[in-house]
Amino acid sequence: EPEVTQTPSHQVTQMGQEVILRCVPISNHLYFYWYRQILGQKVEFLVSFYNNEISEKSEIFDDQFSVERPDGSNFTLKIRSTKLEDSAMYFCASWRQRSNTEAFFGQGTRLTVV
Amino acid sequence: QQQVKQSPQSLIVQKGGISIINCAYENTAFDYFPWYQQFPGKGPALLIAIRPDVSEKKEGRFTISFNKSAKQFSLHIMDSQPGDSATYFCALGDNQGGKLIFGQGTELSVKP
Repeated sequence: EPEVTQTPSHQVTQMGQEVILRCVPISNHLYFYWYRQILGQKVEFLVSFYNNEISEKSEIFDDQFSVERPDGSNFTLKIRSTKLEDSAMYFCASWRQRSNTEAFFGQGTRLTVV
Repeated sequence: QQQVKQSPQSLIVQKGGISIINCAYENTAFDYFPWYQQFPGKGPALLIAIRPDVSEKKEGRFTISFNKSAKQFSLHIMDSQPGDSATYFCALGDNQGGKLIFGQGTELSVKP
């Protein structure tokens, strides 16, 4: 069964440091997303990415965040200068096409900012 | 601004019972209504989904009921099992950008 793979599973970083979270979406999928989930809270949309550009982003996705798909397989989320409140689970998701019925989520990366 | 309201926040059901979780939404632009199941430490996984052209969809023990006029949809888990114990999220989706807007989640505990 195809799956979305995320690395690392857990990342601890000091406040102010840059982190890069990595995702390998399902190979024939075209739409890619990042979501985050603060402990015990709901899953929140961060950004969607299609055709090598951001198609939509939420208010959470400010200038500290960026995404890219550098090599056609990896999809990365970069946080330039982490804050304590960035501590959360970050989930990557991919869809094959807009009318597809299922978005596949990765297992997540737990980011802890200390 | 909450676009989707999910209730209850937590639910305890005896094994074999029926679990019912409800969601209400405001914006009628959405046309895809999935339910996701999440186990601790895992990512959300699609359980069942419905589009607004039908009022009910059943897959095994899981049923979605959809009331378009009331802008509500619910998940029914029949014959609930301890293995169903998880957090369940409803979500709203559209065909414009594909993003999902999640409800607050319901923590279901099925007691043996």
